[in-house]
Amino acid sequence: EIVLTQSPGTLSLSPGERATLSCRASQSVSSSYLAWYQQKPGQAPRLLIYGTSSRATGIPDRFSGSGSGTDFTLTITRLEPEDFAVYYCQQHGSSPYTFGQGTKLEIK
Amino acid sequence: VQLQESGPGLVKPSETLSLTCTVSGGSISSFYWNWIRQPPGKGLEWIGYIYYTGTTNYNPSLKSRVTISVDTSKNQFSLKLSSVTAADTAVYYCARESGGAWFDPWGQGTLVTVSS
Repeated sequence: EIVLTQSPGTLSLSPGERATLSCRASQSVSSSYLAWYQQKPGQAPRLLIYGTSSRATGIPDRFSGSGSGTDFTLTITRLEPEDFAVYYCQQHGSSPYTFGQGTKLEIK
Repeated sequence: VQLQESGPGLVKPSETLSLTCTVSGGSISSFYWNWIRQPPGKGLEWIGYIYYTGTTNYNPSLKSRVTISVDTSKNQFSLKLSSVTAADTAVYYCARESGGAWFDPWGQGTLVTVSS
């Protein structure tokens, strides 16, 4: 099973700042099979990024993804109030499909 | 496409949890259809998927207790989890696998509590 480790666990930033979230895999993941989700309290996760760097429909361009192999990054430039949420990475290249434990992005 | 979970919100320990996901706005007769759960305050765990032909794949951590089935005539797929304990208390989501590599869309989720 591929274990995804996200860091930091909690990130405290102010609106307008830049957020960098990390996802490290225990073994190599094809870039086609790494996705990021945003989850707000009481809501289902929402797809943000698929294939490491492709934005899902309707996702603003302040969200971007990058990485390869075992190290992947989600970057949010110019944080908006609605961006404060929990973010999960997920790999789909090897069964069982797994998620990281999440990074909580909170308002400083 | 929209997905909606339904089923009992309370299940007794040792009994079987049963949920159904209804797919609307599109046919279930393509794509892989998944169940994912999230214990309160914790992260996401993939349970398994079914293809419309009936092919399944389960998380080994739950495989001995999980059955996922599909009813194409009703555009529904279902989850059964047997011998439940308090550790199975979670919000259960259904989701479509898209592009062979991600989950989208998701249902709104349904909380199932295991308690006597």
